[in-house]
Amino acid sequence: TQLLEQSPQFLSIQEGENLTVYCNSSSVFSSLQWYRQEPGEGPVLLVTVVTGGEVKKLKRLTFQFGDARKDSSLHITAAQPGDTGLYLCAGDDFNKFYFGSGTKLNVKP
Amino acid sequence: ETGVTQTPRHLVMGMTNKKSLKCEQHLGHNAMYWYKQSAKKPLELMFVYSLEERVENNSVPSRFSPECPNSSHLFLHLHTLQPEDSALYLCASSQDVLGRSQYFGAGTRLSVL
Repeated sequence: TQLLEQSPQFLSIQEGENLTVYCNSSSVFSSLQWYRQEPGEGPVLLVTVVTGGEVKKLKRLTFQFGDARKDSSLHITAAQPGDTGLYLCAGDDFNKFYFGSGTKLNVKP
Repeated sequence: ETGVTQTPRHLVMGMTNKKSLKCEQHLGHNAMYWYKQSAKKPLELMFVYSLEERVENNSVPSRFSPECPNSSHLFLHLHTLQPEDSALYLCASSQDVLGRSQYFGAGTRLSVL
């Protein structure tokens, strides 16, 4: 069983569209991170959220940590082909560290 | 540049070979990790080192043998691998062992023939 469930697994959209990907768990996390991984490369850390209800913005990307610290979302505005990649959420439940299975995003020009 | 360097980037080996993967981090972190990433599978944590001591070993077959001679270097020694071991092997480091905000290398793409 996967402690961190990501949805959707795959997403293919046109350039300029908005999208949201989700990371859900039944466990409380002390922090959650989002990574983006491009083919043939390692994941690159985008953001860390630590406070319930926290919202962080990184240019066109908006990250939110749920009030109960069990879930997180990533919203991309006006997606571009350069946003294509595998988006991974990860977090620690005060004991161990887990990665989600990822959302594979393809943004078509 | 993420501060974590892995070599080699690509490796092809036969099932009877012995090879080693190397990872070096220049971030002053105390924890280092080996992950395996296969197609259609989530990242699988293999080993965790904190201050050069192994703190986690997730039921990894003995044909994978890690070594951490100091807090900046991590090796993964490979011997008598199987074709199903073909994958992207990723090294990461973080400030502490809980793994928040991990920084990854680019990985070694391993093919076992």
